[in-house]
Amino acid sequence: DAGVIQSPRHEVTEMGQEVTLRCKPISGHDYLFWYRQTMMRGLELLIYFNNNVPIDDSGMPEDRFSAKMPNASFSTLKIQPSEPRDSAVYFCASSPGTGERFTEAFFGQGTRLTVV
Amino acid sequence: AQSVTQLGSHVSVSEGALVLLRCNYSSSVPPYLFWYVQYPNQGLQLLLKYTTGATLVKGINGFEAEFKKSETSFHLTKPSAHMSDAAEYFCAVRAVWGGATNKLIFGTGTLLAVQP
Repeated sequence: DAGVIQSPRHEVTEMGQEVTLRCKPISGHDYLFWYRQTMMRGLELLIYFNNNVPIDDSGMPEDRFSAKMPNASFSTLKIQPSEPRDSAVYFCASSPGTGERFTEAFFGQGTRLTVV
Repeated sequence: AQSVTQLGSHVSVSEGALVLLRCNYSSSVPPYLFWYVQYPNQGLQLLLKYTTGATLVKGINGFEAEFKKSETSFHLTKPSAHMSDAAEYFCAVRAVWGGATNKLIFGTGTLLAVQP
């Protein structure tokens, strides 16, 4: 397997524009996590899905952020409208189920977002 | 709810010296514990994990960690630091039993510098 694939790797956009980040998890993994990493706040869990269903979105900073997982092999994180304070590295991670099937979360390479 | 505290955002050691990175956790149910490493401009990769069984776990690159329930700690050690160990290290906790939410929560990270 190629691992967790995120696109794009880098995104530069102007304030007010819509930004969509994409993630393809590892095939067969039940969980998908979206994280944001900044110098000030470290790694923050934004939202996670189990079997394509959002379980906990309490980390989503505000209504400008939304995430979807239309099928087991694809997820998006959308910011609309974007603001300079959204500049960060966004990571997607996936993991197999709990109990005996549980191992650990596998991370993508991240998307570095810059909003100017 | 789970949480992780990493003591020391920056740690500097000499090459060949002992590496000790501290992690304390809080969890209402027996936790799974992890250490991840992040090299510049890369995603996170797993160093080691504790799930059940032996409390001393060994990971890649000569690192190990010991789960101490009485101290709610999971400190990371390496007997002899190498220049290539310079990176940021994250401790993480996940509650996977008793109907817990399966969130994977990270500490704020410790940046390890290795001096020649």
